Amino acid sequence: ETGVTQTPRHLVMGMTNKKSLKCEQHLGHNAMYWYKQSAKKPLELMFVYNFKEQTENNSVPSRFSPECPNSSHLFLHLHTLQPEDSALYLCASSPGSGGAVDTQYFGPGTRLTVL
Amino acid sequence: GENVEQHPSTLSVQEGDSAVIKCTYSDSASNYFPWYKQELGKRPQLIIDIRSNVGEKKDQRIAVTLNKTAKHFSLHITETQPEDSAVYFCAASYGGNQFYFGTGTSLTVIP
Repeated sequence: ETGVTQTPRHLVMGMTNKKSLKCEQHLGHNAMYWYKQSAKKPLELMFVYNFKEQTENNSVPSRFSPECPNSSHLFLHLHTLQPEDSALYLCASSPGSGGAVDTQYFGPGTRLTVL
Repeated sequence: GENVEQHPSTLSVQEGDSAVIKCTYSDSASNYFPWYKQELGKRPQLIIDIRSNVGEKKDQRIAVTLNKTAKHFSLHITETQPEDSAVYFCAASYGGNQFYFGTGTSLTVIP
């Protein structure tokens, strides 16, 4: 599947490193999302961008910084992370019609390990 | 905000039997309820969804029912097959690009 892609697929970083996760969607959608998936927890919505504007920021620590340069690309910049930030980070996109609730399509995720 | 609870957390069934997973939600404003299947090491994929204006939706061996009064919705898989083994997530949304997910059900279909 090539609808929503994420790179890298795996990332190991130290607590003092700075890294970025990248998401790209080829579906012509206007809304993009970052989720955190930890074991035995619900998917946690982190950020939402709709037509390149951030519309949701669910009390995410400032060590996570999103960037949406256009409707097709979404980044998550990481710095001074903690070991508890280790998780699968999923990107998703949806049409972003602004009307009825959208269906989301997920990327394969980036498995992040913070040492 | 919305609170979604999902049960059971694990479910094992014999091949050919039916599997039922139930979710409850707290906000009566929620009007969209998708179900996702996530196989090991893969992305969540939408398998079926239902909006609040209908009570049931079916797609081959998969069906979803919604009870708005009781605020619960369920996923039904009939004639289960080993390839149905995965983690299934429910979600609820009342719009504004905000989705609330359940904790997932790990389904194992025993051949």
